[in-house]
Amino acid sequence: DIVMTQSPLSLPVTPGEAASISCRSSQSLRHANGQDYLDWYLQRPGQSPQLLIYLGSTRASGVPDRFRGSGSGTNFTLKITRVEAEDFGVYYCLHTLQTLSNTFGQGTRLDIK
Amino acid sequence: QITLRESGPALVKPTETLTLTCTFSGFSLITSGMCVSWIRQPPGRALEWLARIDWDDTKYYSTSLKTRLTISKDTSTNQVVLTMTDMDPVDTATYYCALGTPVTRGSYWGQGTLVIVSS
Repeated sequence: DIVMTQSPLSLPVTPGEAASISCRSSQSLRHANGQDYLDWYLQRPGQSPQLLIYLGSTRASGVPDRFRGSGSGTNFTLKITRVEAEDFGVYYCLHTLQTLSNTFGQGTRLDIK
Repeated sequence: QITLRESGPALVKPTETLTLTCTFSGFSLITSGMCVSWIRQPPGRALEWLARIDWDDTKYYSTSLKTRLTISKDTSTNQVVLTMTDMDPVDTATYYCALGTPVTRGSYWGQGTLVIVSS
């Protein structure tokens, strides 16, 4: 299985500041079509996870543009340009290559500083 | 409108087999590229991907759990079923199903169902 490693695991942030989360995969997530198969999710307390980003950098419908996914191959980053109160929770990356079993990162808890 | 809903027993005994059903609406699992995954989350812990079934009936399983898992679909009733054998207290978790597309694995999620394993 592909191993997904997130860092940091805990990220205290003051509202209004930027936040950045890293996700690294043990194998390249680049498909032959040139796309990187990686999702980012946010799970708020008591809620189901919500899709934020797919294909490494495409925002899902309704996701604010302060969320930005970047990276390729084995190194990916989720950046929140200005953290708002509704952004606190746990963030997960997930590799989504079609022909393999999928795996999540360990999660990064974003909480108020 | 796309919805998914997980159902199954809230309590199972150790060594029993768990059967969970994901009932969905608003999409068809015969559409090319669509898939449904099962994911679980022990209390206070991280998400763990378990299994996936694709539109063409291809199935994928977590390497660590594959000997205990079976996933299947019934397109006539819009359901995906996950069975997990030999349940143990460490399998206590909220179990989610999620709709995937050719480019994502979790476009839509159910609300989850909590399963407690205890004698």
